[in-house]
Amino acid sequence: AQSVTQLGSHVSVSEGALVLLRCNYSSSVPPYLFWYVQYPNQGLQLLLKYTSAATLVKGINGFEAEFKKSETSFHLTKPSAHMSDAAEYFCAVTTNTGNQFYFGTGTSLTVIP
Amino acid sequence: SAVISQKPSRDICQRGTSLTIQCQVDSQVTMMFWYRQQPGQSLTLIATANQGSEATYESGFVIDKFPISRPNLTFSTLTVSNMSPEDSSIYLCSVAGGPHTEAFFGQGTRLTVV
Repeated sequence: AQSVTQLGSHVSVSEGALVLLRCNYSSSVPPYLFWYVQYPNQGLQLLLKYTSAATLVKGINGFEAEFKKSETSFHLTKPSAHMSDAAEYFCAVTTNTGNQFYFGTGTSLTVIP
Repeated sequence: SAVISQKPSRDICQRGTSLTIQCQVDSQVTMMFWYRQQPGQSLTLIATANQGSEATYESGFVIDKFPISRPNLTFSTLTVSNMSPEDSSIYLCSVAGGPHTEAFFGQGTRLTVV
């Protein structure tokens, strides 16, 4: 079975500061991991994905994540937060067939001017 | 990639009534998924809709409450029946891009039941 755990339901950072959103996964098979962002009143948009290629994955809007098998983690980072990054972020894992996604509980990011 | 159009984008409904949400995809897909996102919470899978067969419902969701249609490979509907305030949520349609690829989402339907 697959699952993801997001530590910290709310994260606040100052504008220009490092963003770190944590995600740990549990999977009995090699996982495929994703980060999605949800802006207010919108659907989910893919930020980046890990699909067993490079362990350091770069996504849109300056975000990146590193897959660490030894730590079963896939934390999302951005060197410098921007006001427009304020949103809800979801980590997700999928099965081998890619048919069902399991989402974490989400992390709400607030950026303080 | 897939572009998903979902409507209505939002609605306010009276308790006891039903609302049908439509989901249109710009390409043919085998499976479509319906999620519920309750206020301040994550996504919960309601059911998987396959064309030509009955939808498969997750634990806690039943067909009488959330009937789903899948008449062809590009379209699906989800009905929320006999609504109560507890059904107030965002309902999201999704398709999988294929094995090991991302899921694509509609913009969601924000439902408020009064």
